[in-house]
Amino acid sequence: EVQLVESGGGSVEPGGSLRLSCAASGFIFSNAWMGWVRQAPGKGLEWIGIIRRESDGGTAEYVSPVTGRFTISRDDPSHTLYLQIDGLRTDDTGIYYCTTVDFWGQGTRVTVSS
Amino acid sequence: EVVLAQFPHSLPVTLGQPASILCRSNENLVFTNGNTYLNWFQQRPGQSPRRLIYFVSNRDSGVPDRFNGSGSGTDFTLTISRVEAEDVGLYYCMQGTRWPWTFGQGTKVDI
Repeated sequence: EVQLVESGGGSVEPGGSLRLSCAASGFIFSNAWMGWVRQAPGKGLEWIGIIRRESDGGTAEYVSPVTGRFTISRDDPSHTLYLQIDGLRTDDTGIYYCTTVDFWGQGTRVTVSS
Repeated sequence: EVVLAQFPHSLPVTLGQPASILCRSNENLVFTNGNTYLNWFQQRPGQSPRRLIYFVSNRDSGVPDRFNGSGSGTDFTLTISRVEAEDVGLYYCMQGTRWPWTFGQGTKVDI
């Protein structure tokens, strides 16, 4: 059974940082492109970025609003995906999902407020 | 950026009756390899998204056969042949043909 379990969310002040993690199981993690999607309260789904598998270069792509502040990385031996978020803004508030596109985690909530 | 427009934004449905959602792209979604990376997702209240359809018309494992995807190029449709109570929620189309991948704004389906 495929499982994606996010963690690391919480409440932070503007300008702060968070590191989200996603523990994956039930599939060959090293073969998968992985991504992060967020959902602001009461809003739709928004892609943050993706990271390719190592055999496809292992590089990451980001959407414009987060470029330079968000960093996606992966650790294949531990089957873990990461999202480092720096310079948090109030509009970064939302639920952050880890996904392979076909499978999704339950999400972790990030609240940015002073 | 590929923009996906969904119609309608809100869809009142009747149990047992069909329902359809249109997803229109501002660009052709056929990739260079000939595949069209158009997906449909369902998000029930309080839950994570669940993929229903990939490559326009392929149902994911466990998805009831009352869900059908169709279309090509720039216009795509998700049809529920006979709506059931458990189908209430938000539905999103999503393209993975060009980065940044994008979602439609969502369609709320309720009874």
